[in-house]
Amino acid sequence: NAGVTQTPKFQVLKTGQSMTLQCAQDMNHEYMSWYRQDPGMGLRLIHYSVGAGITDQGEVPNGYNVSRSTTEDFPLRLLSAAPSQTSVYFCASSYSGPGSTGELFFGEGSRLTVL
Amino acid sequence: AQKITQTQPGMFVQEKEAVTLDCTYDTSDQSYGLFWYKQPSSGEMIFLIYQGSYDEQNATEGRYSLNFQKARKSANLVISASQLGDSAMYFCAMREGGIYQAGTALIFGKGTTLSVSS
Repeated sequence: NAGVTQTPKFQVLKTGQSMTLQCAQDMNHEYMSWYRQDPGMGLRLIHYSVGAGITDQGEVPNGYNVSRSTTEDFPLRLLSAAPSQTSVYFCASSYSGPGSTGELFFGEGSRLTVL
Repeated sequence: AQKITQTQPGMFVQEKEAVTLDCTYDTSDQSYGLFWYKQPSSGEMIFLIYQGSYDEQNATEGRYSLNFQKARKSANLVISASQLGDSAMYFCAMREGGIYQAGTALIFGKGTTLSVSS
């Protein structure tokens, strides 16, 4: 069982470059989300999706775009990277049907450095 | 206002001792869920334990228990008989809304670093 798969695990960008963090899950979860983790800040929600074709903003959405064309995939796009986007990014999914607690299943994280 | 507060940036404990990691939360919802996750130095997020707001018993999972005090809005994690492998960052998180409410995000605290020594 692959669970939630994020790629790449490490990436170095220059200011102004664009890139996409990929996230895929094979658990047929409707709910998917992206968090960023910074020292002393915990995990902060960037964007989330409750199903294919539906996305919404979280606490810190500026500088990031998302789309959800399939249940499995939820890519995160940085259109013009800034040093403030240096962080560890986590993709997470959860089952949102009957009996769900909302427990999040996390990917392994992607460490992004913007120079 | 901060919804999840973890006031202990770091905690130190010796092997085999019990340790309590504090978590307080703020919500006006009657139905919500509380979670604890562990993040070892390798970086992955590991789910530990869950407590629903209507659960009358404190949740337990092996050496982990959640001391849920609803009136005080606290959800402390208790680890009994600490082990060296328990050294990690621990996050408290909350889901607002009922369990059938799709698309409810988890809100995380800033975490507590636990160090277990021999």
